[in-house]
Amino acid sequence: DVKVTQSSRYLVKRTGEKVFLECVQDMDHENMFWYRQDPGLGLRLIYFSYDVKMKEKGDIPEGYSVSREKKERFSLILESASTNQTSMYLCASSLPGGFNEQFFGPGTRLTVL
Amino acid sequence: GNSVTQMEGPVTLSEEAFLTINCTYTATGYPSLFWYVQYPGEGLQLLLKATKADDKGSNKGFEATYRKETTSFHLEKGSVQVSDSAVYFCAPAVGTSYGKLTFGQGTILTVHP
Repeated sequence: DVKVTQSSRYLVKRTGEKVFLECVQDMDHENMFWYRQDPGLGLRLIYFSYDVKMKEKGDIPEGYSVSREKKERFSLILESASTNQTSMYLCASSLPGGFNEQFFGPGTRLTVL
Repeated sequence: GNSVTQMEGPVTLSEEAFLTINCTYTATGYPSLFWYVQYPGEGLQLLLKATKADDKGSNKGFEATYRKETTSFHLEKGSVQVSDSAVYFCAPAVGTSYGKLTFGQGTILTVHP
């Protein structure tokens, strides 16, 4: 059974902390994505990666960075967490090409106090 | 850039009612079109897709037809069930190479017995 896993389902952090969200896929996919999901706003792309060590900014990259050192793992980093980064974070992976589906992880609910 | 306008919810129906969730988009060219579904407490999963004009995607009794002339991809089901209660997202692909998607804001569907 193909899978995208995320390191935590729920996470609570303090303002100013450095936060790492980890995502691992077992499908040998080239593409990996990080989204945040907020009510009424749908999913917004933060960053995506189309190969190891390659990354591109999405629609809302401010306050975030990413790392992809291995093909199966894509990390999202909040350098200094702020309360407006409280959200649901979803990771996804896919084969390259605009006609391939994205496979999603279960999400991490991050609360920044 | 791409944009998606999706029917606002929430939508509340009785079991066996007919469902339509409207989706229109703006895009360069003719992108692949997707509907994703998010069941309570889960990540997103692909419901159906269409990759060219006049294609009909279908799955689990849901259907959507790629209408190039009206740039629409409306989701329909003839008889909904309680188990269809979920959030539905329309998502056209962005370009044809990397597989990025633009997501609508999501439509919450609740089906009562």
